[in-house]
Amino acid sequence: ETGVTQSPTHLIKTRGQQVTLRCSSQSGHNTVSWYQQALGQGPQFIFQYYREEENGRGNFPPRFSGLQFPNYSSELNVNALELDDSALYLCASSSGLNTETQYFGPGTRLLVL
Amino acid sequence: EDKVVQSPLSLVVHEGDTVTLNCSYEVTNFRSLLWYKQEKKAPTFLFMLTSSGIEKKSGRLSSILDKKELFSILNITATQTGDSAIYLCAVVGGGADGLTFGKGTHLIIQP
Repeated sequence: ETGVTQSPTHLIKTRGQQVTLRCSSQSGHNTVSWYQQALGQGPQFIFQYYREEENGRGNFPPRFSGLQFPNYSSELNVNALELDDSALYLCASSSGLNTETQYFGPGTRLLVL
Repeated sequence: EDKVVQSPLSLVVHEGDTVTLNCSYEVTNFRSLLWYKQEKKAPTFLFMLTSSGIEKKSGRLSSILDKKELFSILNITATQTGDSAIYLCAVVGGGADGLTFGKGTHLIIQP
């Protein structure tokens, strides 16, 4: 059984650029949630994808968008990057809409200069 | 809006001490409260609590929930340097809003 994987591990971008982060869910899981964790803060829910459809969204602007593919892997896209987007981006997978049993990936550390 | 407040935000103790971490919450249609340990990047699951007054234990760690007063505590006895980490508390409400986390408690265990 493979765990949740994310790529890349680290990324440096400049303001205004666009970025795509990737997540492969744990085997057998069909739900992926994305979180943003700024330094010194807890993770904040961005959105959740279930069976390729967005199932819920936190308080993030539309320039944060996502996709889920038929194999249940997922992408997080952020357009028009701002300095405050610098954070650790975590994805978590689960089976069905069982939020309680999410397994987190190692995250992607994004730095926006 | 769901809210989770953890205290203290940071704590430094010596190896062998016992620590108590606090988590208070406000959530619509409470379903569960979870504790995670975050050492480097990925939070790892510790406990899930759904019922008041029932202590969950795993080795030196234990946790309990009070749904009337809307808080939970995480206890770690006989602390070891490997317990140094950020401990996150999160709640699950009735909507499809994922987990709502607190800011975490940064615990440092000194040898």
